[in-house]
Amino acid sequence: GAGVSQSPSNKVTEKGKDVELRCDPISGHTALYWYRQSLGQGLEFLIYFQGNSAPDKSGLPSDRFSAERTGGSVSTLTIQRTQQEDSAVYLCASSLAFAETQYFGPGTRLLVL
Amino acid sequence: AQTVTQSQPEMSVQEAETVTLSCTYDTSENNYYLFWYKQPPSRQMILVIRQEAYKQQNATENRFSVNFQKAAKSFSLKISDSQLGDTAMYFCAFASNTGKLIFGQGTTLQVKP
Repeated sequence: GAGVSQSPSNKVTEKGKDVELRCDPISGHTALYWYRQSLGQGLEFLIYFQGNSAPDKSGLPSDRFSAERTGGSVSTLTIQRTQQEDSAVYLCASSLAFAETQYFGPGTRLLVL
Repeated sequence: AQTVTQSQPEMSVQEAETVTLSCTYDTSENNYYLFWYKQPPSRQMILVIRQEAYKQQNATENRFSVNFQKAAKSFSLKISDSQLGDTAMYFCAFASNTGKLIFGQGTTLQVKP
Protein backbone atom coordinates (compact mmCIF):
# COMPACT_ATOMS: atom_id res chain seq x y z
CA GLY A 1 0.00 0.00 0.00
CA ALA A 2 0.93 3.67 -0.06
CA GLY A 3 3.61 4.85 2.30
CA VAL A 4 3.91 8.07 4.26
CA SER A 5 3.80 11.10 2.01
CA GLN A 6 4.97 14.62 2.71
CA SER A 7 4.52 17.89 0.89
CA PRO A 8 6.10 19.98 -0.35
CA SER A 9 9.26 18.06 -1.15
CA ASN A 10 11.29 21.25 -1.02
CA LYS A 11 10.45 24.70 0.30
CA VAL A 12 12.44 27.90 0.02
CA THR A 13 11.20 30.84 2.05
CA GLU A 14 12.37 34.19 3.27
CA LYS A 15 13.24 34.86 6.87
CA GLY A 16 10.20 35.98 8.80
CA LYS A 17 7.62 34.19 6.65
CA ASP A 18 5.36 31.41 7.92
CA VAL A 19 5.49 27.91 6.41
CA GLU A 20 3.25 24.86 6.60
CA LEU A 21 4.52 21.33 6.10
CA ARG A 22 2.10 18.49 5.50
CA CYS A 23 2.25 14.80 6.34
CA ASP A 24 -0.11 12.04 5.18
CA PRO A 25 0.47 8.91 7.26
CA ILE A 26 -0.08 5.34 6.20
CA SER A 27 -3.80 4.56 6.26
CA GLY A 28 -4.82 3.08 9.59
CA HIS A 29 -1.75 4.27 11.49
CA THR A 30 -2.85 5.93 14.71
CA ALA A 31 0.51 7.35 15.80
CA LEU A 32 2.31 10.11 13.91
CA TYR A 33 5.73 11.62 14.64
CA TRP A 34 7.66 14.66 13.44
CA TYR A 35 11.46 14.80 13.44
CA ARG A 36 13.98 17.35 12.23
CA GLN A 37 17.28 16.50 10.58
CA SER A 38 19.94 19.19 10.42
CA LEU A 39 23.69 19.20 9.97
CA GLY A 40 24.41 20.63 13.37
CA GLN A 41 21.83 18.78 15.47
CA GLY A 42 21.45 15.45 13.72
CA LEU A 43 18.02 13.81 13.96
CA GLU A 44 15.82 15.20 16.71
CA PHE A 45 12.29 14.45 17.84
CA LEU A 46 9.78 17.31 17.63
CA ILE A 47 6.29 16.07 18.49
CA TYR A 48 4.09 13.03 18.30
CA PHE A 49 0.35 12.45 17.96
CA GLN A 50 -1.79 9.60 19.18
CA GLY A 51 -5.00 10.09 17.25
CA ASN A 52 -5.58 13.83 17.19
CA SER A 53 -3.97 14.59 20.52
CA ALA A 54 -0.31 15.42 21.13
CA PRO A 55 0.81 13.93 24.46
CA ASP A 56 4.44 14.85 23.88
CA LYS A 57 5.43 18.23 22.48
CA SER A 58 8.72 18.29 24.31
CA GLY A 59 10.87 18.48 21.20
CA LEU A 60 9.38 21.62 19.70
CA PRO A 61 12.31 24.09 19.74
CA SER A 62 10.29 27.24 20.33
CA ASP A 63 6.76 28.62 20.44
CA ARG A 64 7.12 29.49 16.76
CA PHE A 65 6.58 25.79 16.07
CA SER A 66 3.16 24.21 16.26
CA ALA A 67 1.48 21.13 14.84
CA GLU A 68 -1.98 19.74 14.52
CA ARG A 69 -3.59 16.57 13.31
CA THR A 70 -7.15 16.32 12.09
CA GLY A 71 -9.38 13.30 11.62
CA GLY A 72 -6.67 11.05 13.00
CA SER A 73 -4.92 11.33 9.66
CA VAL A 74 -3.20 14.32 8.04
CA SER A 75 -0.86 16.42 10.15
CA THR A 76 0.46 19.93 9.54
CA LEU A 77 3.63 21.34 11.09
CA THR A 78 3.62 25.14 11.09
CA ILE A 79 6.67 27.32 11.61
CA GLN A 80 5.93 30.98 12.19
CA ARG A 81 8.37 33.81 11.54
CA THR A 82 10.97 31.45 10.13
CA GLN A 83 14.62 31.91 11.01
CA GLN A 84 17.70 30.71 9.16
CA GLU A 85 18.37 28.13 11.86
CA ASP A 86 15.05 26.49 10.96
CA SER A 87 16.63 25.28 7.70
CA ALA A 88 16.59 21.50 7.85
CA VAL A 89 14.85 18.39 6.56
CA TYR A 90 11.58 17.76 8.36
CA LEU A 91 10.67 14.08 8.52
CA CYS A 92 7.31 12.59 9.36
CA ALA A 93 6.77 9.00 10.46
CA SER A 94 3.73 6.93 11.34
CA SER A 95 3.16 3.69 13.17
CA LEU A 96 0.27 1.30 13.49
CA ALA A 97 0.06 2.01 17.19
CA PHE A 98 1.97 3.84 19.83
CA ALA A 99 5.54 2.47 20.28
CA GLU A 100 5.31 0.27 17.21
CA THR A 101 7.80 0.43 14.33
CA GLN A 102 7.81 3.82 12.64
CA TYR A 103 7.77 4.23 8.87
CA PHE A 104 9.11 7.45 7.44
CA GLY A 105 8.09 9.77 4.65
CA PRO A 106 10.57 11.27 2.18
CA GLY A 107 10.85 14.51 4.14
CA THR A 108 10.50 18.20 3.34
CA ARG A 109 13.71 20.13 2.84
CA LEU A 110 13.22 23.66 4.16
CA LEU A 111 15.62 26.44 3.27
CA VAL A 112 15.20 29.82 4.95
CA LEU A 113 17.03 32.62 3.18
CA ALA B 1 17.97 10.61 29.59
CA GLN B 2 18.61 8.08 26.90
CA THR B 3 21.51 8.53 24.51
CA VAL B 4 22.68 6.66 21.43
CA THR B 5 26.27 6.77 20.23
CA GLN B 6 27.68 5.71 16.88
CA SER B 7 31.43 6.11 17.05
CA GLN B 8 32.19 5.48 13.37
CA PRO B 9 31.33 8.55 11.26
CA GLU B 10 32.44 6.85 8.03
CA MET B 11 33.17 3.32 6.90
CA SER B 12 33.88 1.60 3.62
CA VAL B 13 33.73 -2.00 2.47
CA GLN B 14 34.42 -3.87 -0.74
CA GLU B 15 31.46 -5.31 -2.56
CA ALA B 16 30.60 -8.87 -1.40
CA GLU B 17 32.49 -8.46 1.88
CA THR B 18 31.12 -8.15 5.40
CA VAL B 19 31.03 -5.00 7.50
CA THR B 20 29.93 -4.28 11.07
CA LEU B 21 28.57 -0.94 12.26
CA SER B 22 28.77 -0.16 15.97
CA CYS B 23 26.19 1.39 18.27
CA THR B 24 26.03 1.84 22.02
CA TYR B 25 23.23 3.31 24.06
CA ASP B 26 22.50 4.37 27.58
CA THR B 27 19.23 3.87 29.41
CA SER B 28 17.93 2.91 32.82
CA GLU B 29 14.82 1.29 31.38
CA ASN B 30 14.35 -2.43 31.03
CA ASN B 31 11.79 -2.52 28.22
CA TYR B 32 12.75 -0.85 24.99
CA TYR B 33 13.32 -1.35 21.29
CA LEU B 34 16.33 -0.82 19.08
CA PHE B 35 16.39 -0.15 15.37
CA TRP B 36 18.73 0.33 12.47
CA TYR B 37 17.52 2.66 9.74
CA LYS B 38 19.16 3.27 6.38
CA GLN B 39 19.07 6.66 4.65
CA PRO B 40 20.30 6.64 1.03
CA PRO B 41 20.95 9.89 -0.87
CA SER B 42 17.24 9.95 -1.76
CA ARG B 43 16.69 10.97 1.88
CA GLN B 44 14.06 8.26 2.55
CA MET B 45 14.59 6.60 5.93
CA ILE B 46 14.18 2.86 5.51
CA LEU B 47 13.86 0.38 8.35
CA VAL B 48 16.60 -2.23 8.21
CA ILE B 49 16.04 -4.24 11.34
CA ARG B 50 14.32 -4.12 14.75
CA GLN B 51 15.20 -5.74 18.07
CA GLU B 52 13.04 -6.01 21.18
CA ALA B 53 15.11 -5.75 24.35
CA TYR B 54 13.25 -8.61 26.03
CA LYS B 55 14.28 -11.02 23.27
CA GLN B 56 17.64 -12.72 23.75
CA GLN B 57 17.79 -13.96 20.18
CA ASN B 58 19.49 -11.60 17.76
CA ALA B 59 17.28 -10.30 14.96
CA THR B 60 18.13 -11.13 11.35
CA GLU B 61 16.74 -9.90 8.04
CA ASN B 62 18.33 -11.59 5.04
CA ARG B 63 21.89 -10.18 4.78
CA PHE B 64 21.43 -7.99 7.86
CA SER B 65 21.87 -9.21 11.41
CA VAL B 66 22.51 -7.64 14.79
CA ASN B 67 24.64 -8.48 17.77
CA PHE B 68 22.58 -7.32 20.74
CA GLN B 69 24.46 -7.28 24.05
CA LYS B 70 21.95 -5.99 26.61
CA ALA B 71 24.30 -5.91 29.58
CA ALA B 72 26.91 -4.01 27.60
CA LYS B 73 24.22 -1.81 25.99
CA SER B 74 25.63 -2.55 22.59
CA PHE B 75 23.72 -3.06 19.34
CA SER B 76 25.89 -3.59 16.26
CA LEU B 77 24.72 -4.21 12.71
CA LYS B 78 26.42 -6.75 10.46
CA ILE B 79 25.92 -6.52 6.72
CA SER B 80 26.98 -9.66 4.85
CA ASP B 81 27.72 -9.88 1.13
CA SER B 82 27.69 -6.08 0.82
CA GLN B 83 26.06 -4.68 -2.29
CA LEU B 84 26.47 -1.33 -4.02
CA GLY B 85 22.89 -0.51 -3.07
CA ASP B 86 23.85 -0.70 0.60
CA THR B 87 25.72 2.60 0.23
CA ALA B 88 23.89 4.96 2.57
CA MET B 89 23.94 6.57 5.98
CA TYR B 90 22.93 4.17 8.73
CA PHE B 91 21.28 5.33 11.94
CA CYS B 92 20.95 3.38 15.15
CA ALA B 93 17.85 4.35 17.13
CA PHE B 94 16.36 3.67 20.55
CA ALA B 95 12.71 3.76 21.56
CA SER B 96 11.28 3.27 25.03
CA ASN B 97 7.61 3.07 25.86
CA THR B 98 7.29 6.78 25.08
CA GLY B 99 7.50 5.77 21.41
CA LYS B 100 9.74 8.58 20.22
CA LEU B 101 12.98 7.57 18.54
CA ILE B 102 16.35 8.75 19.78
CA PHE B 103 18.94 8.55 17.05
CA GLY B 104 22.69 8.20 16.95
CA GLN B 105 24.81 10.52 14.85
CA GLY B 106 24.87 8.14 11.91
CA THR B 107 27.54 6.18 10.04
CA THR B 108 28.12 6.79 6.35
CA LEU B 109 28.82 3.50 4.62
CA GLN B 110 30.43 3.38 1.20
CA VAL B 111 30.39 0.08 -0.67
CA LYS B 112 33.17 -0.02 -3.26
CA PRO B 113 33.02 -2.07 -6.45
